[in-house]
Amino acid sequence: TAGITQAPTSQILAAGRSMTLRCTQDMRHNAMYWYRQDLGLGLRLIHYSNTAGTTGKGEVPDGYSVSRANTDDFPLTLASAVPSQTSVYFCASSDGTSGTDTQYFGPGTRLTVL
Amino acid sequence: GQNIDQPTEMTATEGAIVQINCTYQTSGFNGLFWYQQHAGEAPTFLSYNVLDGLEEKGRFSSFLSRSKGYSYLLLKELQMKDSASYLCAPLDSNYQLIWGAGTKLIIKP
Repeated sequence: TAGITQAPTSQILAAGRSMTLRCTQDMRHNAMYWYRQDLGLGLRLIHYSNTAGTTGKGEVPDGYSVSRANTDDFPLTLASAVPSQTSVYFCASSDGTSGTDTQYFGPGTRLTVL
Repeated sequence: GQNIDQPTEMTATEGAIVQINCTYQTSGFNGLFWYQQHAGEAPTFLSYNVLDGLEEKGRFSSFLSRSKGYSYLLLKELQMKDSASYLCAPLDSNYQLIWGAGTKLIIKP
């Protein structure tokens, strides 16, 4: 079982350009999440989805958008990248039947915005 | 506000025992997770505590005191592969994880 995959592994992006980070899970999990991780800070939630067709804003949603057209995929889009969006982005999923379900993480995407 | 405190870095010797502390202040509480994260990799689940007390799982144990807003992760018989960051993350009243910055554990031979 692949679990959660993310693409690309890393990317260098010019400021002002748009980009979509891809996330796919094969565990049939209901809930999915996008986090960013910056040095010296805890993981910060960007957006989440409790089930296909629904999304919600996390702690740091500005400059990002998501969609959840089906159970497996949860892409994260940066419409116009800025240098402060340089970070490591992790996608995660959980069963979603209980609020205390364990979250499982993808390998991450390292994004540099210049 | 919500706040998580963990030591930034700890050093221990192979074969020894180390305790990583975490204090938290959250809006509501629905349990606390510990994750391990090796450098350049994704966080992986270690433990979940919702009731007070000690939960033992092999070489790793996790303790929770809800009244004190305190948890610790105890690692026994340390191995070089235990060199990693350990992330403390309580669940708030909205069932969202509030992540600490993590404790980087360095194991020396």
